[in-house]
Amino acid sequence: TQLLEQSPQFLSIQEGENLTVYCNSSSVFSSLQWYRQEPGEGPVLLVTVVTGGEVKKLKRLTFQFGDARKDSSLHITAAQPGDTGLYLCAGKGTSQGNLIFGKGTKLSVKP
Amino acid sequence: NAGVTQTPKFRILKIGQSMTLQCTQDMNHNYMYWYRQDPGMGLKLIYYSVGAGITDKGEVPNGYNVSRSTTEDFPLRLELAAPSQTSVYFCAGGGLYNEQFFGPGTRLTVL
Repeated sequence: TQLLEQSPQFLSIQEGENLTVYCNSSSVFSSLQWYRQEPGEGPVLLVTVVTGGEVKKLKRLTFQFGDARKDSSLHITAAQPGDTGLYLCAGKGTSQGNLIFGKGTKLSVKP
Repeated sequence: NAGVTQTPKFRILKIGQSMTLQCTQDMNHNYMYWYRQDPGMGLKLIYYSVGAGITDKGEVPNGYNVSRSTTEDFPLRLELAAPSQTSVYFCAGGGLYNEQFFGPGTRLTVL
């Protein structure tokens, strides 16, 4: 069974700080996605990475897919209160068709 | 486009009651999914569909049923509600790379 481990589970920081959250597995994924979920709403797709070593930037968010396609990281620069939410990673296995979700990192950015 | 819509937003059931959670999409997705989300447990796939008339079990299908008579609609049926089915349920449409477009969710409590 493929698993995705996310760390840390919780993160509370001050506005303006930088942070990195991680998504790790012992399995290889053909692609990996990051979602942000705000309380009372459904997750919203932020990015999809498909190539080992790929780096994608979305304003202050930088996403990286590991060279071996087993891990990924999300780095936020100068965090803002609007970044508060649950960050989920999800991977598509090389053999199975459905996504596997991690349990998420709950981020709180205080003004 | 409204995207993926779900009704109801909230529901309280008594043990043994039945109900249908509605999901409709106007994005012409062939793939559709039902997930449940429990605190600290991430998203678990209940059922999915690759097109009208085709459905298949996910990771946690027991106690649920689905149908897909049209591309737009993918209802989830609970026949005999149990307290273990207390959860937040999300319907999603799937894109070309399995990216998920989630609805706003249905919060279900079984007492």
